[in-house]
Amino acid sequence: AQTVTQSQPEMSVQEAETVTLSCTYDTSESDYYLFWYKQPPSRQMILVIRQEAYKQQNATENRFSVNFQKAAKSFSLKISDSQLGDAAMYFCAYRRVFGANSKLTFGKGITLSVRP
Amino acid sequence: DGGITQSPKYLFRKEGQNVTLSCEQNLNHDAMYWYRQDPGQGLRLIYYSQIVNDFQKGDIAEGYSVSREKKESFPLTVTSAQKNPTAFYLCASSRLNPQIEAFFGQGTRLTVV
Repeated sequence: AQTVTQSQPEMSVQEAETVTLSCTYDTSESDYYLFWYKQPPSRQMILVIRQEAYKQQNATENRFSVNFQKAAKSFSLKISDSQLGDAAMYFCAYRRVFGANSKLTFGKGITLSVRP
Repeated sequence: DGGITQSPKYLFRKEGQNVTLSCEQNLNHDAMYWYRQDPGQGLRLIYYSQIVNDFQKGDIAEGYSVSREKKESFPLTVTSAQKNPTAFYLCASSRLNPQIEAFFGQGTRLTVV
């Protein structure tokens, strides 16, 4: 079974600084997707960024980028120029590509606080 | 606007009563999911469905039931058999081919007293 591990329950960053959130996963599949979702205080889950395992290039979305290390099964999220609105819970998630019942598996999440 | 609607946002029930949480989507997605969120536990899959009139158990299905009579709707019933039903419940949907990211509703906070 696939598992997703986020070992840091909380992190804090100074506004305008950069922070990296860690995630590791375990799978025997070679093709899969990885995601970072954000859950602000409103509790609405928002997709931040997505990475396809077959792509060597790391995904970027404005201030958000990932460091995808397939051999190490590591998928970290870097937030640059942190803003107060980035304060939220962040979840790492995995989904395999093939298979009739492909489902999203989530880590336990990390709470990010942003200091003004 | 397309999206996923969960209702109600807050729900209170007495212990021993069944309660049904609503989830409707107008994204024309084939797949729908129910997750439960508890502090420190992340999101755990309860049930999912990829086609009308068919659904599969997730990791924590005991004490829950679902139906999928319409493509747009995937209601979740929390039965009296669920030992600890107080939690935040999230509904999600996604396309099937390809099946990539899921889109989420705003969630329902269920409190059983």
